[in-house]
Amino acid sequence: AQTVTQSQPEMSVQEAETVTLSCTYDTSESDYYLFWYKQPPSRQMILVIRQEAYKQQNATENRFSVNFQKAAKSFSLKISDSQLGDAAMYFCAYRALIGGSEKLVFGKGTKLTVNP
Amino acid sequence: DVKVTQSSRYLVKRTGEKVFLECVQDMDHENMFWYRQDPGLGLRLIYFSYDVKMKEKGDIPEGYSVSREKKERFSLILESASTNQTSMYLCASRQGLPNTEAFFGQGTRLTVV
Repeated sequence: AQTVTQSQPEMSVQEAETVTLSCTYDTSESDYYLFWYKQPPSRQMILVIRQEAYKQQNATENRFSVNFQKAAKSFSLKISDSQLGDAAMYFCAYRALIGGSEKLVFGKGTKLTVNP
Repeated sequence: DVKVTQSSRYLVKRTGEKVFLECVQDMDHENMFWYRQDPGLGLRLIYFSYDVKMKEKGDIPEGYSVSREKKERFSLILESASTNQTSMYLCASRQGLPNTEAFFGQGTRLTVV
């Protein structure tokens, strides 16, 4: 079964500093996609960054970047120059087509606090 | 911008009531999903649909059913609400291409008393 594990229920970071959120996943598929979603207190879940498993290059979106280690099944999110608006729940997610059926599995989330 | 709209942000229902949670998307997406979000458990998939009148069970379908009569609308039905169904419910939609993201609604906080 596909599982996604976020081992850090809570993290905190000082404004302007860098923080890394961890995510590991378990799969036997070779073709899949990985995502980081952000859920601020307003509750609307929004996509932060995505990574295709077939791409070796790590995805980057402005201050957000990932460290994708396919062999280790690891997909961590690095937030540089943290801002107060980055405070939110962050969810790691895995998606693959398995047996003709789509699976989109989320981790349990990491609550990020940004201290001024 | 894609818009996924859930009919209510907050809902209070009584045990045994039949409850309808509605979700509408405006981007002609093929795939639609209902998730339940609980503290410490993350998001768990209840049902999803990849086409009109098509549905598949997710990880926790017990006590729920769904309806998709039109492409833009995906309804979650609690046939007889129970207190253990008190939760946050999130609807999402996605275009049916491999490398597309899911877009989420704002969530419905359901309390069953």
